[in-house]
Amino acid sequence: KAGVTQTPRYLIKTRGQQVTLSCSPISGHRSVSWYQQTPGQGLQFLFEYFSETQRNKGNFPGRFSGRQFSNSRSEMNVSTLELGDSALYLCASSLQFGGSTDTQYFGPGTRLTVL
Amino acid sequence: GQQVMQIPQYQHVQEGEDFTTYCNSSTTLSNIQWYKQRPGGHPVFLIQLVKSGEVKKQKRLTFQFGEAKKNSSLHITATQTTDVGTYFCAGPSYNTDKLIFGTGTRLQVFP
Repeated sequence: KAGVTQTPRYLIKTRGQQVTLSCSPISGHRSVSWYQQTPGQGLQFLFEYFSETQRNKGNFPGRFSGRQFSNSRSEMNVSTLELGDSALYLCASSLQFGGSTDTQYFGPGTRLTVL
Repeated sequence: GQQVMQIPQYQHVQEGEDFTTYCNSSTTLSNIQWYKQRPGGHPVFLIQLVKSGEVKKQKRLTFQFGEAKKNSSLHITATQTTDVGTYFCAGPSYNTDKLIFGTGTRLQVFP
């Protein structure tokens, strides 16, 4: 079974631009979570989607948004990029509801650099 | 807010030495998960503990969940260079279903 895939793997943007990242979960997994990883803040939860509905949201500004499609694929969007948005963005899928009890299977991440 | 802290932040050991990382939550956890992230890689699930006082072993790795379900530990016996990476614990938020990751412990093993 193929693992979680994320595209693109690397991205360079400038301040003020917007970016869309894509995540394809493991086949059959219905929950997708997004995390931001930085050296200073560690792994920070962004949001989680299940059956096209956002179930949980982390403490990030409204510039960060996401969605999930009927095939469970998910996208996250960051508008008006800031230098501090430079990070590794990780997507994780899980079989059912995800969250606190389901194992999270992480993708390789998208490395975003904002100049 | 709820915090999940890990100590130490970094640990350098000689190959063959033991290693332990400790995970402490500010709230009681219904379960705890452990993940390993190799340098340049992504977190990979290791194990989940659910019961108070539970101990689980995976070869040279021993995981414990505290009696009060507020702390956990991961012990590696006779480290190898393949153990290099950052180890994260993760537990559920007390008021939502989201997973809160610990601050991580980065392990470096010198041959």
